[in-house]
Amino acid sequence: EADIYQTPRYLVIGTGKKITLECSQTMGHDKMYWYQQDPGMELHLIHYSYGVNSTEKGDLSSESTVSRIRTEHFPLTLESARPSHTSQYLCASSDRGTRGETQYFGPGTRLLVL
Amino acid sequence: SQQGEEDPQALSIQEGENATMNCSYKTSINNLQWYRQNSGRGLVHLILIRSNEREKHSGRLRVTLDTSKKSSSLLITASRAADTASYFCATGSSGGSNYKLTFGKGTLLTVNP
Repeated sequence: EADIYQTPRYLVIGTGKKITLECSQTMGHDKMYWYQQDPGMELHLIHYSYGVNSTEKGDLSSESTVSRIRTEHFPLTLESARPSHTSQYLCASSDRGTRGETQYFGPGTRLLVL
Repeated sequence: SQQGEEDPQALSIQEGENATMNCSYKTSINNLQWYRQNSGRGLVHLILIRSNEREKHSGRLRVTLDTSKKSSSLLITASRAADTASYFCATGSSGGSNYKLTFGKGTLLTVNP
């Protein structure tokens, strides 16, 4: 069982609200990732980080932002939520060792913007 | 463009039967991984096969990799109802410290009791 946590698990909010999705891991992994996944579809990488103070945009353009002030914490923020942001958001991490390519996933946050 | 493409998109079998899922990709890879996702949950890593390997086993799982055809298959033997899930292949890019993975659309496997 991976030690990576996401909160909240479910979130229903109104348009225009600012939200932060939390992701924490206790494995000491350097690399962390955020994916967006619509039901029955593939995962799209929206942000990643290779360490503290390092953040990069992923393959899918996203209006969200991320920060990496501590190794274990990688929050994702939407300044003004819109219905088009409705989706599932998955956080993952990996370490730098020989098994570094394997990613460990959190349970996900299901976001519904009304 | 999508790197990994699973086939079939959905598969329904009876308990005890074997399930085979295929994945094709387009560019050179460092490794290929298979993940499982139960409905509405995060992904769980199943198995990783490197580009210089051809076959790998883990319990009831058997993965093959054919780099000349840019394809991989995942075989689940003696399936159980608990194997019902979506299965995704993911390719790791070659070289450097780039550990990004590119996921396919997945195969939805339903194992009927």
